[in-house]
Amino acid sequence: GAGVSQSPSNKVTEKGKDVELRCDPISGHTALYWYRQRLGQGLEFLIYFQGNSAPDKSGLPSDRFSAERTGESVSTLTIQRTQQEDSAVYLCASSLQPGMNTGELFFGEGSRLTVL
Amino acid sequence: QQQVKQSPQSLIVQKGGISIINCAYENTAFDYFPWYQQFPGKGPALLIAIRPDVSEKKEGRFTISFNKSAKQFSLHIMDSQPGDSATYFCAEAGDFNKFYFGSGTKLNVKP
Repeated sequence: GAGVSQSPSNKVTEKGKDVELRCDPISGHTALYWYRQRLGQGLEFLIYFQGNSAPDKSGLPSDRFSAERTGESVSTLTIQRTQQEDSAVYLCASSLQPGMNTGELFFGEGSRLTVL
Repeated sequence: QQQVKQSPQSLIVQKGGISIINCAYENTAFDYFPWYQQFPGKGPALLIAIRPDVSEKKEGRFTISFNKSAKQFSLHIMDSQPGDSATYFCAEAGDFNKFYFGSGTKLNVKP
């Protein structure tokens, strides 16, 4: 497909378990973002990757959260020892090289995480 | 983390009416102000965006008004339609390395 792809679309886990969420950005997009959206709330910035630069991790809420990106391709967001407050929709977005265009973010449909 | 304040939280408008959503920002270094539209179960999608060198941008029924001195910008939806029912997010960005989103406005356009 031509859009941003996220998996799984839904994940139910038990408190204390680790989860991995995957994002496949649009081919050619050098920038990749992760956001968290709690029920009925806005988008909370988590982390930003741009090419081979060091990622901006300033939005990660705790050291239980980490993310990796392979080159300019797939990214994985990992949440260790999940807590109930981690329940949310995790959205991934990608964009062309920043500064070279309108800055439009293309979002995936999100991974809905429920921690029991 | 929120640096842009959005209001109202929810909005009900009759079909054909005007929907107005407001945002106020703090950081004057930001130079890109987009609006995103999100339907249930979907990711947000860019609706319209503006830079602070213009005071207004119009695309079809959607208009952004920008007041740099007041650090405010708003989205106007003219002739609102039931298909416009969605959640709308304003955002601000500088250098595109970090987008700060508002808390969202849930719009319900009644037929």
